[in-house]
Formats: sequence, structure tokens, C-alpha cells
Amino acid sequence: QKEVEQDPGPLSVPEGAIVSLNCTYSNSAFQYFMWYRQYSRKGPELLMYTYSSGNKEDGRFTAQVDKSSKYISLFIRDSQPSDSATYLCAMIPSGNTPLVFGKGTRLSVIA
Amino acid sequence: DGGITQSPKYLFRKEGQNVTLSCEQNLNHDAMYWYRQDPGQGLRLIYYSQIVNDFQKGDIAEGYSVSREKKESFPLTVTSAQKNPTAFYLCASNAGVRNQPQHFGDGTRLSIL
Repeated sequence: QKEVEQDPGPLSVPEGAIVSLNCTYSNSAFQYFMWYRQYSRKGPELLMYTYSSGNKEDGRFTAQVDKSSKYISLFIRDSQPSDSATYLCAMIPSGNTPLVFGKGTRLSVIA
Repeated sequence: DGGITQSPKYLFRKEGQNVTLSCEQNLNHDAMYWYRQDPGQGLRLIYYSQIVNDFQKGDIAEGYSVSREKKESFPLTVTSAQKNPTAFYLCASNAGVRNQPQHFGDGTRLSIL
């Protein structure tokens, strides 16, 4: 079983839709969770960073963590064509160790 | 502006050649990382360095080498021993303290001629 599982998509939605992106993980030591957005031919950029179970909101983006189920989600409200990108989840246990990444979900928002 | 600069953006290698990818950061970060990204594979860790003059192998270090002589620089050499070097290479850094997210450069695309 891979440490982090993420559906690669592609996921195609109409403009204005609510998008749900998800990752599951197997290592209960993971304590810190991140979502990155990566446009084509660019490096990933940090969208959300959270360490506790529950929800964290930033504008149209909400990150949700359920440590008991080992499941994290990113919701995008009122999706825009500019949201079309690959979304990567990442996580680390406590301590200074490299991130473990999901393989990314490719999202297309159609105008 | 603070950030991570990778150069060149595109690089071509002939069979049997070593090539070096540059990564420079002005964020005053202690830790730096190199990843390889292939379609459908996600990001795979090649090498990382948590402090100057020290570095550790990641999951796919074979055929690669690094140095960390200065805090702001972490060059990656793709050697001729790397049999499938065509990929998108990403450099990242973070503050090196516990649990900090990484920040990425915009990558170098390496292709074989």
C-alpha cells in the first residue's frame, strides 16, 4: 500500500462548480498536511497548510483533515478556468523530514 | 523578490554526458531538496540537504550527485549513469525547522538528444 493515495483524474467540471479533491494516507504518524497547485511547466505553489483535524478556509479554498479516517480534502468553491491545474497533496510526520507527496489530480474547469 | 531560481529552464544532454542543474535561493532557508517529476509519477525525492556541507540520498539517488558548499546553492549533477534522465526537475527549500512547508522553483526540463 502506498503511503499517500490520490486519484490522478483528470477531473473536468463546469465553471462555478464546487470541486472536491481528496487524498488518503496509511501512515498515522503524518501530522502536517499541505495542498499545492501546479500549473503546466511551473513549480508547485503552496495553497494550504494545516496540522489539525477540521477545516481551514482561505477565500474560495477549504482544506479538511480527518485524522481518524486518514483522509484529507481540498474544496474549491465557485471554480474558475484559472483553477485548471494539477493539485498535489503532501504530508509529513512531526520532525524535520522531507514531504511525502500524492501523485496529483489534474483539474480542468471549463468556461 | 525572495524566491528559488532554477536554471536553465530547458536543457539537452547527449548520451554519455554529465549535466549540472542550478538551484539558487535567497530565502535564507537551511534545507534544500531536489525532486524528479515524470508524467503519472508525482514528485520523487532525489537528494536533500538540511545544512551546508551535508546531504542525504532520497528515494531515487542513483545516477545523480549533489553538493552543498553554500547555503543559497544546491546544484544537481545528472551523470551518465542515469539511464533515463528525461524528466522535469524541481528544486525546493524550506526553513529547515520542524514541519515547515517547502517552496519550489519553476523547474528545469531535461531532454536527451
